[in-house]
Amino acid sequence: DAGVIQSPRHEVTEMGQEVTLRCKPISGHNSLFWYRQTMMRGLELLIYFNNNVPIDDSGMPEDRFSAKMPNASFSTLKIQPSEPRDSAVYFCASSPGGGGGDEQYFGPGTRLTVT
Amino acid sequence: SQQGEEDPQALSIQEGENATMNCSYKTSINNLQWYRQNSGRGLVHLILIRSNEREKHSGRLRVTLDTSKKSSSLLITASRAADTASYFCAPLSGSARQLTFGSGTQLTVLP
Repeated sequence: DAGVIQSPRHEVTEMGQEVTLRCKPISGHNSLFWYRQTMMRGLELLIYFNNNVPIDDSGMPEDRFSAKMPNASFSTLKIQPSEPRDSAVYFCASSPGGGGGDEQYFGPGTRLTVT
Repeated sequence: SQQGEEDPQALSIQEGENATMNCSYKTSINNLQWYRQNSGRGLVHLILIRSNEREKHSGRLRVTLDTSKKSSSLLITASRAADTASYFCAPLSGSARQLTFGSGTQLTVLP
């Protein structure tokens, strides 16, 4: 298996623009997680899905952030409009089980820079 | 979900030495997981230890769990320069379904 796939790997955009990050989880995994990592705040869980349904989005910072999982093999994280403070590395992870109780497999991340 | 606290924050050792990192948590757990993150990369799962287990091995890694002290340790034996990374613990409590990561231990193995 190719592992968790994220695209793009790097994104540079101007403040106010819409940004869409993409994730393909490992085939057969039931749970998908979006994280954000910064030096100041460390690794934060933004949202997670189980069987394509959002279970907990309490980590989503603002209404500017939205996430979807239209099917078992694809998820998006959208920021609209983007702001410089959104600059971070965004990771997607998937897990075989019904929740975080199983090990998680992380993608390589998308490094977002908002100028 | 609860967050583990790793200690020390940073550790620097010579290649070939053993490295020990500790993790403390606050409430009872179902399992505790250890992850490694190399600079600029995603986290990699190392070991999952369940609450009814006291010790687990995987290659050069040894994880112990003391539920009475609410602590876990990760031992890397015969360290290599490639072990240089940040190490995170993630305790999972009964009702929680997601993991929460702390600040990690930054391990540097000098050649």
